[in-house]
Amino acid sequence: AQSVSQHNHHVILSEAASLELGCNYSYGGTVNLFWYVQYPGQHLQLLLKYFSGDPLVKGIKGFEAEFIKSKFSFNLRKPSVQWSDTAEYFCAVRTGANNLFFGTGTRLTVIP
Amino acid sequence: NAGVMQNPRHLVRRRGQEARLRCSPMKGHSHVYWYRQLPEEGLKFMVYLQKENIIDESGMPKERFSAEFPKEGPSILRIQQVVRGDSAAYFCASSPITGVNLEAFFGQGTRLTVV
Repeated sequence: AQSVSQHNHHVILSEAASLELGCNYSYGGTVNLFWYVQYPGQHLQLLLKYFSGDPLVKGIKGFEAEFIKSKFSFNLRKPSVQWSDTAEYFCAVRTGANNLFFGTGTRLTVIP
Repeated sequence: NAGVMQNPRHLVRRRGQEARLRCSPMKGHSHVYWYRQLPEEGLKFMVYLQKENIIDESGMPKERFSAEFPKEGPSILRIQQVVRGDSAAYFCASSPITGVNLEAFFGQGTRLTVV
């Protein structure tokens, strides 16, 4: 079945630690890829997106993600997390039919 | 340019009542998506609409749930005869139909509580 998979459900890190959140998808054809963040009590906001070109994309707040087509992956990274990064992170895929599917999310807790 | 507006923000309904959730997309956006968010379950796709058309409703329960996006006015997600299990946060997103940056923008959500 077509899906978006986020394997880490809950990640706990200390401040200044490096972060990598996995995202794999199983849709064929051309896709657009996104990472959204949801801070506690708030709506989803776009962190970064990949449409084409350089597979390493940079987003806001020091986040970046790398699209690896052969692995159907779009992992999110940040070299040094801060307490304010505590949030839930969602990977999303926009298919050729313009539908938009999300993974189950990864909750990140950063300990000061 | 106002963002995606959802109302109400909080909705309490008794079992058996109807819930109507509204979503006004950003100006110029003609795609609307509805999602349900439950704790530990992430964002579950429900329905994808364009003006006057349901494009994909594969995520909608077969009974009691319906959605529309009329030519004029907001998109409506309607839940008839609500049950406790319908309690969740419902998010709407909108995006443009053409352009370079086809990202979706989200509303603040409607938190439905069924008592």
